[in-house]
Amino acid sequence: GQNIDQPTEMTATEGAIVQINCTYQTSGFNGLFWYQQHAGEAPTFLSYNVLDGLEEKGRFSSFLSRSKGYSYLLLKELQMKDSASYLCAVSAIKGGGNKLTFGTGTQLKVEL
Amino acid sequence: GAVVSQHPSRVICKSGTSVKIECRSLDFQATTMFWYRQFPKQSLMLMATSNEGSKATYEQGVEKDKFLINHASLTLSTLTVTSAHPEDSSFYICSASGGLAGGKQETQYFGPGTRLLVL
Repeated sequence: GQNIDQPTEMTATEGAIVQINCTYQTSGFNGLFWYQQHAGEAPTFLSYNVLDGLEEKGRFSSFLSRSKGYSYLLLKELQMKDSASYLCAVSAIKGGGNKLTFGTGTQLKVEL
Repeated sequence: GAVVSQHPSRVICKSGTSVKIECRSLDFQATTMFWYRQFPKQSLMLMATSNEGSKATYEQGVEKDKFLINHASLTLSTLTVTSAHPEDSSFYICSASGGLAGGKQETQYFGPGTRLLVL
């Protein structure tokens, strides 16, 4: 099976930087995704890492270390609208196809 | 680009009835569609994977006779919850991807979800 661990909750201040960590164990690793999900809505795609290193996209960056089974999502210049759940999802090749397994999500609260 | 729609967004039905949920990829061809279920304050759980023109692959513990999946075209997949019961009340979300292209992982794009309440 797959184990995906991420913190349950985090709180940060508007304008600050926050890092959300994710550790995983899997076989057939084929990439790691980060999604943002507001309450009652479907997840929206933020980032995808399949090689080691940092991927930067505006205020959001994502890092991957395959040898350590570790990723983080970095959010800069936090805004109130960034309050949401952030889901780490690991893609693995299983039975000839790709499957995404989601972590339980990190609920981020941005305060004034 | 990569827009996925779902219909209906909300449905309330009586116990014992069947409910059909549609998932459409609007601006790309989805060789693979996925159906997830999410209970309150929990993560998404994959129910099944469907490829166009073939039978869906169900995850362990998901009853294929209860959750009927049809992926009739490259832009449409349907999930039918048959003989729904209150415990089937949940948030059902589909996603679509273009599948593997040259060995590169394709991102899954999610529909807006369908909230099902069975009375």
